[in-house]
Amino acid sequence: AQKITQTQPGMFVQEKEAVTLDCTYDTSDPSYGLFWYKQPSSGEMIFLIYQGSYDQQNATEGRYSLNFQKARKSANLVISASQLGDSAMYFCAMREAGYGGATNKLIFGTGTLLAVQP
Amino acid sequence: DVKVTQSSRYLVKRTGEKVFLECVQDMDHENMFWYRQDPGLGLRLIYFSYDVKMKEKGDIPEGYSVSREKKERFSLILESASTNQTSMYLCASSSPGNSGDTGELFFGEGSRLTVL
Repeated sequence: AQKITQTQPGMFVQEKEAVTLDCTYDTSDPSYGLFWYKQPSSGEMIFLIYQGSYDQQNATEGRYSLNFQKARKSANLVISASQLGDSAMYFCAMREAGYGGATNKLIFGTGTLLAVQP
Repeated sequence: DVKVTQSSRYLVKRTGEKVFLECVQDMDHENMFWYRQDPGLGLRLIYFSYDVKMKEKGDIPEGYSVSREKKERFSLILESASTNQTSMYLCASSSPGNSGDTGELFFGEGSRLTVL
């Protein structure tokens, strides 16, 4: 069965440093999509970045990049130059084309709580 | 500004009460979802709908039902609330995710339900 694993319940990082949040996934479908969301203390879920399984290059969005290693089934989020406002819960999620299909059902990991220290 | 709106941010209900959580989206999305979020468990899918009057069970549908009479509205119903349904409930919507669209989920602000 498809699964998303985030092994880091919480992390600290110093302001202005880079941080990597780990995510591994398990699927037998060759076509899938990987997402990262940010959830600040206010509760809203903010979409950060997307990587398709057939994308040749790692996705980047501003200070966010996705380190996609297909053979290892990992999709780590890298945040460069951390800011105090990056303190939040971060969720990795996966959509399988074969299972979710056009319904876009996502399965989520358990999240990593990131604290940026001044 | 595109939006998913959940009717109540905070609710307190008694065991056995019937609870309605309402969600409205203004993006003309076909797909709508209800997740619940609990510490250490992440987000778990309760029900989803890919069209009006269509619904499918997610991973944890027991104790819940849903209604989608109009494209923009997706309601989650707790027929008889229990204390183990105390949680944060998140509604989301998305387009089909084809034609180059990532099909990302757009979320509401969440409804925190406490059942006493």
